[in-house]
Amino acid sequence: GQQLNQSPQSMFIQEGEDVSMNCTSSSIFNTWLWYKQDPGEGPVLLIALYKAGELTSNGRLTAQFGITRKDSFLNISASIPSDVGIYFCAGPINTGTASKLTFGTGTRLQVTL
Amino acid sequence: NAGVMQNPRHLVRRRGQEARLRCSPMKGHSHVYWYRQLPEEGLKFMVYLQKENIIDESGMPKERFSAEFPKEGPSILRIQQVVRGDSAAYFCASSLRSNTEAFFGQGTRLTVV
Repeated sequence: GQQLNQSPQSMFIQEGEDVSMNCTSSSIFNTWLWYKQDPGEGPVLLIALYKAGELTSNGRLTAQFGITRKDSFLNISASIPSDVGIYFCAGPINTGTASKLTFGTGTRLQVTL
Repeated sequence: NAGVMQNPRHLVRRRGQEARLRCSPMKGHSHVYWYRQLPEEGLKFMVYLQKENIIDESGMPKERFSAEFPKEGPSILRIQQVVRGDSAAYFCASSLRSNTEAFFGQGTRLTVV
């Protein structure tokens, strides 16, 4: 089936560093969503993107909808310990009658002090 | 405006029993998704429902699993005759429309003993 591939799978960074992760697909997407999941919790929506080329910020987070509509990236600036968690990209995949929301494989972020 | 509510948060069942997981979507949302997550893994799509209709159940095992989203009341994910392999976190998400952002509940952690 169609998949969303995220990279890197995991990363260790120092507090204060900038982080970049991306999500790619073989299919075109009309919407890209980025979520963060803390241990033991449900995913929380960070940013939603609806237009090719769109660049959207949410505090220290910035996400872009790739021009080809097959990729998206998420940047976190000046990382802090509470940025630890798993970051998922997601997008609706057309199933014929409707679109189901499909998730990427996730990027696990760990921050060292 | 209350978020997506899932209950129970934790559920323990003996092998062979039935598990019923409930999800109340955000107010006004008529689209509900169920996902399953094993420890250290991503979110695996199970089923997508829109008020009283199952839109896509391609990720749900054909036996023992069923889902409904009645006109009144929460969406229910039902697992009959549970086995140890059913132990996982089950997350529900709701959205206003099929191509828009979805919001997650806190999940139900099912443990089969």
